[in-house]
Parts: sequence; C-alpha cells; structure tokens
Amino acid sequence: EADIYQTPRYLVIGTGKKITLECSQTMGHDKMYWYQQDPGMELHLIHYSYGVNSTEKGDLSSESTVSRIRTEHFPLTLESARPSHTSQYLCASSVGISRITDTQYFGPGTRLTVL
Amino acid sequence: AQSVTQLDSHVSVSEGTPVLLRCNYSSSYSPSLFWYVQHPNKGLQLLLKYTSAATLVKGINGFEAEFKKSETSFHLTKPSAHMSDAAEYFCVVSDGDKIIFGKGTRLHILP
Repeated sequence: EADIYQTPRYLVIGTGKKITLECSQTMGHDKMYWYQQDPGMELHLIHYSYGVNSTEKGDLSSESTVSRIRTEHFPLTLESARPSHTSQYLCASSVGISRITDTQYFGPGTRLTVL
Repeated sequence: AQSVTQLDSHVSVSEGTPVLLRCNYSSSYSPSLFWYVQHPNKGLQLLLKYTSAATLVKGINGFEAEFKKSETSFHLTKPSAHMSDAAEYFCVVSDGDKIIFGKGTRLHILP
C-alpha cells in the first residue's frame, strides 16, 4: 500500500469558489504529479514537479496552479471553480532516474463536482 | 507521436478461466510500457512494467505481459482469474517526454 494521501476525497462546491486539493506522501519521493480523469477516459497529466520549488505544466492545459514548498506536499489550487472543472483529480509520486521509467504511486483521488 | 489503445472497454470472464486484456501502442522511440490496476475507491497500483529488458514481464498477483515490437502490442494475461481481479486496468506508454494512459479496461469476473 502506497503512503500517498489526498484530501478531501469528495468535494461539491459552487461556481466561483476557490479550492485547494491536498496531496501528501511520506515516501520521500522527489517527483510528484497531478492527473485529471473523467469517467471512461484516460488520465491526463496536468502538473508535475521534480522537487522542491520545481513545477511544470503537463500535457493537458489546466486553469489550476500547484506549488511545491515541501518535498512531501503538492497542493493543487483552483482560484475560481467552474462546472467544467468537474472531474476526478489523482495525485502520484515517484522516485528514480526518470519520470518516463519510474513506477508511480497513486493516491485514492479527489472527486470534484462544481455546481 | 505516442498513442495507446486498449482494445476492449469491458471484459468478462468466469472465475478460474484465463484473462486477456489487450493493449496496442505507437511510439517513435524505445518505449517503456506499464500496466496499472485500479480497484474501486483506491489509487492506481503498478502491476508490471517493461523498460527494454526481458520482453516477457511478470508482475504481481500472477499477471504477466509480453512486449511484441513487431505487433506493437503489450497484452496483459493471467492463467486463472480470481474474483479479486475485478477492477479497472490501464495500459501506459512512455517515451521521450510524455506519459500516455489508455482509457482503461474494466474486468468483470463471473462466479
């Protein structure tokens, strides 16, 4: 069982609210990732980090932002939530030579619904 | 450009019979290939991965996959299905700078 945690697990919120999805890992992994997953669809990488103070945008454009102030913590923020942000958000971490060959360890996900 | 296709969105097998989940990929480089499993309300967990070593890869829980470059396939198999194998399975290809997930195959196990 991977030691990577996401809170909240479920969130229902109104349009225009600011939200932060939390992700923490206790494995000391240098790399962390955020994915977006819609039902029946593939995961899309929206952000990743190689370490503290490193953040990069992923393959799918996202209005969210991330920060990496501590190794174990990689929160994702939406400044103004919209119904189009409704989705499942998965956090992952890895350690190794390259994110291309690393095994990723996933959290259980946050299911976000914006009304 | 990379892509990955999981040929079946749903697969149903009886308990004790073989499992075959199909995955085809395209890649411009020498890819790394993964299979992950996701049980309900849990995170994805690695089953196995291929990173240019042996083409037949053995994973956890009796699963294995064979990298076939000529067929651009990386199908996942298990000789005998168990009820606990019911889950969503994702094939993943990575090379260059991208990691691409398939859309997933939901495996149903019939008693």
